[in-house]
Amino acid sequence: QSVLTQPPSASGTPGQRVTISCSGSSSNIGSNYVYWYQQLPGTAPKLLIYSNNQRPSGVPDRFSGSKSGTSASLAISGLQSEDEADYYCAAWDDSLNGPVFGGGTKLTVL
Amino acid sequence: EVQLVQSGAEVKKPGESLKISCKTSGYIFTSYWIGWVRQMPGKGLEWMGIIYPGDSDTRYSPSFQGQVTISADKSISTAYLQWSSLKASDTAMYYCARQGAEWELLPPDYWGQGTLVTVSS
Repeated sequence: QSVLTQPPSASGTPGQRVTISCSGSSSNIGSNYVYWYQQLPGTAPKLLIYSNNQRPSGVPDRFSGSKSGTSASLAISGLQSEDEADYYCAAWDDSLNGPVFGGGTKLTVL
Repeated sequence: EVQLVQSGAEVKKPGESLKISCKTSGYIFTSYWIGWVRQMPGKGLEWMGIIYPGDSDTRYSPSFQGQVTISADKSISTAYLQWSSLKASDTAMYYCARQGAEWELLPPDYWGQGTLVTVSS
């Protein structure tokens, strides 16, 4: 059972906009930055979003993040087939004194 | 360019010991925390612990305290994860990942490629 809660799956058609939610608590999302990762099949996670809504260099602006209270969302616009992957949210947890992750959302591009 | 390069896949028997490595480059090794994350087959990401190579301050998730040892060698910018007695349930992919500067503990930004550990009799 993961500390952060994500839907196990999401889907969309090419060009569509999809959002993935991430729910936590006051000890993690409520008081710390949210990060998002993309894990393509057979590869290591890659940082997509940091500090709630910042994109590292090289990440397309189709990917955006937001946070409100103890929840966060990742939005992907202009969905492409290469976006098919697992997506994880994460935040520092003040009780654990370490990062906690969501269980992951498998995105399927139909 | 920040890079974390992990050692290769391992196949071990229950009860054996193991030490895997994560060699870093492209940043000042002693100025950033580096952590380890487990991913069991078909499952999500679990944080195991971190080390600050500058002073060897090491912290573990309660789930992994006493089960593994995290260490670092400043002279070769390399972090390690080791087991003294492996169990079949240790079968997983293990990732090292950079986790923020000294006063700024954060979730990972850069990740290694992963080391697959298989424990089977």
